[in-house]
Amino acid sequence: QQQVKQSPQSLIVQKGGISIINCAYENTAFDYFPWYQQFPGKGPALLIAIRPDVSEKKEGRFTISFNKSAKQFSLHIMDSQPGDSATYFCAASIEGETSGSRLTFGEGTQLTVNP
Amino acid sequence: DTEVTQTPKHLVMGMTNKKSLKCEQHMGHRAMYWYKQKAKKPPELMFVYSYEKLSINESVPSRFSPECPNSSLLNLHLHALQPEDSALYLCASSWKADSPLHFGNGTRLTVT
Repeated sequence: QQQVKQSPQSLIVQKGGISIINCAYENTAFDYFPWYQQFPGKGPALLIAIRPDVSEKKEGRFTISFNKSAKQFSLHIMDSQPGDSATYFCAASIEGETSGSRLTFGEGTQLTVNP
Repeated sequence: DTEVTQTPKHLVMGMTNKKSLKCEQHMGHRAMYWYKQKAKKPPELMFVYSYEKLSINESVPSRFSPECPNSSLLNLHLHALQPEDSALYLCASSWKADSPLHFGNGTRLTVT
């Protein structure tokens, strides 16, 4: 019930192309969906997040698409650059948790953008 | 650079050693977290402190002992660890319990 499934496990894209990473969740109580970007030797950094009251959120080259009925959300990276090469994690949590944010992470996608 | 600072960056310890990991944030965040991350895996939640009180312990073995001396500091005391405990230990903080997390760059721990 707490699982978040992420695909693909790895992705290779040419510079300038579109990178698409997909996630699916089961728990309908989830109401906050962040994406984290992690470079080797660094901690995860919050990239962009969405709540289920909107179907799309865009920040620069990064867009989250959200489909509540299908319980799916995806990250689109437009005009992908070699500097985007990193591991991307989708996550989900329930807001309003007073004890702390229990993020459920996907398994991660290793993105490589070739120059 | 991240606003959550973790020391040391690397730590090698034997199974009989006692060591501590430290985490500091000055963003005024009131929730602090310890995560464990194995290679090519997502972070796994270990502990959460909310307003300096332990609010979540994800059934972590007692050889890991967290401490929150004040709202800016978080420690993780390590004792009698096993080689399988080798991992990247990440600290994170958030404005309040259900706010977005800010991660540090972690301590790479190797248990020999």
